[in-house]
Amino acid sequence: AQSVTQLGSHVSVSEGALVLLRCNYSSSVPPYLFWYVQYPNQGLQLLLKYTTGATLVKGINGFEAEFKKSETSFHLTKPSAHMSDAAEYFCAVAYSGAGSYQLTFGKGTKLSVIP
Amino acid sequence: DAGVTQSPTHLIKTRGQQVTLRCSPKSGHDTVSWYQQALGQGPQFIFQYYEEEERQRGNFPDRFSGHQFPNYSSELNVNALLLGDSALYLCASSWGGRSEAFFGQGTRLTVV
Repeated sequence: AQSVTQLGSHVSVSEGALVLLRCNYSSSVPPYLFWYVQYPNQGLQLLLKYTTGATLVKGINGFEAEFKKSETSFHLTKPSAHMSDAAEYFCAVAYSGAGSYQLTFGKGTKLSVIP
Repeated sequence: DAGVTQSPTHLIKTRGQQVTLRCSPKSGHDTVSWYQQALGQGPQFIFQYYEEEERQRGNFPDRFSGHQFPNYSSELNVNALLLGDSALYLCASSWGGRSEAFFGQGTRLTVV
């Protein structure tokens, strides 16, 4: 079984400050890890993903995440927050089973950016 | 490319009724997955369709059923609606179920 824990249901940062959204996972097999963003009344957009290879993953809009197996973490960071980053962020884990994979999501972290 | 499209965008149903939601995958994608997102929660996997068959299923009762058509579009059916079925239903498409999943904007179902 796999699960995802996102620490902090709501995070507020000032514009220009560092964004750090935390994600820890539990998986019995090597995981695939994802971060998605959801703007109000919209679907999910993939920010970045880790499947294999380099543990530091760069995504869209200046976001990046580092896969740390020893800490079972996949925290999302952005050096400088922009007002347009205000949204809800979801961490997800998947493993390949039966030739396909299904996503298990965390409960999400709502990011507010203060001008 | 229109991406993943879902219809309708909003729906209001009464307890006990049945509902059908529709999804057209992104061009070139052959796999459709459905997720339920309750208010304030992350999406939960319902099931996945590939080659017109249900390939994987999450922890949802049999009231939830689906179908995939030869053109890869898909329907989600929910019977005997409960108030707790009120949620945003998201469709995601991918190629072979192993590539990046693209999500539609969802259908907001309200059960009264």
